[in-house]
Amino acid sequence: SQQGEEDPQALSIQEGENATMNCSYKTSINNLQWYRQNSGRGLVHLILIRSNEREKHSGRLRVTLDTSKKSSSLLITASRAADTASYFCATERNFGNEKLTFGTGTRLTIIP
Amino acid sequence: DAMVIQNPRYQVTQFGKPVTLSCSQTLNHNVMYWYQQKSSQAPKLLFHYYDKDFNNEADTPDNFQSRRPNTSFCFLDIRSPGLGDAAMYLCATSSLAGETQYFGPGTRLLVL
Repeated sequence: SQQGEEDPQALSIQEGENATMNCSYKTSINNLQWYRQNSGRGLVHLILIRSNEREKHSGRLRVTLDTSKKSSSLLITASRAADTASYFCATERNFGNEKLTFGTGTRLTIIP
Repeated sequence: DAMVIQNPRYQVTQFGKPVTLSCSQTLNHNVMYWYQQKSSQAPKLLFHYYDKDFNNEADTPDNFQSRRPNTSFCFLDIRSPGLGDAAMYLCATSSLAGETQYFGPGTRLLVL
């Protein structure tokens, strides 16, 4: 079964606004990662947060992790047109046998 | 720059005609992954190699095979492509299992 579910499925905001995407998962994890995918391209790693961490920042990105609720959020501040892409969370489960399981993704559109 | 390269970027094949997709990496990573991604869906792991150890996903059809002749190269063979195999195929690498994955640009397969 799918490990990660993301919400919303699609999000449209004005350039300059903040965008928040959420990810929920089902089993205990070692880490959770966020990836970006531009249309028709490969995925690009954005940030990794470990199960013992609660928050991480990278430039305009802020990721939180709540292991008690089995959820994570990705916040993109001061959005730009170039942030238009699909965003996926991926989890490495405990005893995950070297694999990541990807969520369903959020399609983000930034309106100039 | 160190990278993951996939060839070809676009592949057209006929129903039932074998096709091979290739992936190479200059990152010297131990782990290589093959994913299938259909439109607006999450990447689905087909199999992965940890060094020479091959790990097949339980639901990967027998029609899909893989070879890793050395650290740098990995191939995806589709023995008898069906219309349902039309998708983007993504190769990824990781230095440590379950950690950050580095993706190639993908090969889009069209089956006629």
